[in-house]
Amino acid sequence: DVKVTQSSRYLVKRTGEKVFLECVQDMDHENMFWYRQDPGLGLRLIYFSYDVKMKEKGDIPEGYSVSREKKERFSLILESASTNQTSMYLCASSFGLAGYNEQFFGPGTRLTVL
Amino acid sequence: AQSVTQPDIHITVSEGASLELRCNYSYGATPYLFWYVQSPGQGLQLLLKYFSGDTLVQGIKGFEAEFKRSQSSFNLRKPSVHWSDAAEYFCAVGPFQGAQKLVFGQGTRLTINP
Repeated sequence: DVKVTQSSRYLVKRTGEKVFLECVQDMDHENMFWYRQDPGLGLRLIYFSYDVKMKEKGDIPEGYSVSREKKERFSLILESASTNQTSMYLCASSFGLAGYNEQFFGPGTRLTVL
Repeated sequence: AQSVTQPDIHITVSEGASLELRCNYSYGATPYLFWYVQSPGQGLQLLLKYFSGDTLVQGIKGFEAEFKRSQSSFNLRKPSVHWSDAAEYFCAVGPFQGAQKLVFGQGTRLTINP
């Protein structure tokens, strides 16, 4: 079974802090994704990566950056956290052409920015 | 522009009753369609997917979905719901952005009355 793990289930940070969310997958998938989930808005894509050191902006990249130095690991970075970044963050991975294939999700990180 | 619409934000059904969750999409060609379920505190899990062929697809946990091209719909159904089906359900459509991503609907939260 594909396993996608995220470094924290719950995280509380202060406004202005730099925040790192880590995601690791164990199935050698080429593609990795970061989504933000908010009530009534569904899942919105922040960034994705289809290869090591490659990244593409999603629908809401402002205020975020990402890093993919190894195939299995994809990090989401909030350079200066703000209260409007309080949300659930979901990481996912998939193989092949990402628009055609199932994505496998981690359990999520609920981030609160005070 | 919205590419995937789940018109019902919240649905309540009684245990043992039938269920239909709606998903409408706008897409220029034959889409790849997915339904996911998110149980409380969990990541998303794939229920079923449609790529081609028979328009009625069977999934896990007793769910099925029907692709209707003329109505641009991919509704999820279950003949008899169980209390454990209480969750949030997401429809997803692809491929977009050069076959690199899926787009998710806003989600429908399902509550089961005993």
